[in-house]
Amino acid sequence: EPEVTQTPSHQVTQMGQEVILRCVPISNHLYFYWYRQILGQKVEFLVSFYNNEISEKSEIFDDQFSVERPDGSNFTLKIRSTKLEDSAMYFCASSKIAAQNTGELFFGEGSRLTVL
Amino acid sequence: QQQVKQSPQSLIVQKGGISIINCAYENTAFDYFPWYQQFPGKGPALLIAIRPDVSEKKEGRFTISFNKSAKQFSLHIMDSQPGDSATYFCAAKGGSEKLVFGKGTKLTVNP
Repeated sequence: EPEVTQTPSHQVTQMGQEVILRCVPISNHLYFYWYRQILGQKVEFLVSFYNNEISEKSEIFDDQFSVERPDGSNFTLKIRSTKLEDSAMYFCASSKIAAQNTGELFFGEGSRLTVL
Repeated sequence: QQQVKQSPQSLIVQKGGISIINCAYENTAFDYFPWYQQFPGKGPALLIAIRPDVSEKKEGRFTISFNKSAKQFSLHIMDSQPGDSATYFCAAKGGSEKLVFGKGTKLTVNP
């Protein structure tokens, strides 16, 4: 069964360092998302991406964050200068059709980011 | 307005019992209400979803009940099994890409 894969599974970094989280969405999906979940809290939307551009982003997704699809398979989330409050589990998701048309989102297993 | 309020925060049920998780929302633009199941160390996985034009949807042991006038929806798990032990999130979406999640309910089904 096709699945969304994410790397690394866990990354520890120092405050102020740049971090890149990588995702390989399901191959025939066209819409890509990043969500995050701070420990013990709800899952929060960060950004959606379609046709090589951001289609929607939340207030959390400030100038420190960026997304990119550098090739035909990877989808990355970059945090330019990490803060303590960026510590969270980051989930990549993909869907065949737009979420606003109720396309089912398939989530990866997440990348845990710990900022010290 | 964008919140989805979920209760209870945790739930303990005996094997064979019924698990009930409730959610409420304010935004009348929401038109899609999925439930996600999350096991420890895994990402959320879609369990069942409903649109507001129906009041109930059943898939196996899982049923969503939807009350549009009260802006509430709930998940019922019949004949709960230990393998159902997980965190359950209700969510809502309408008119945008953003899926708004509730805070989650940790369900424990005792054997």
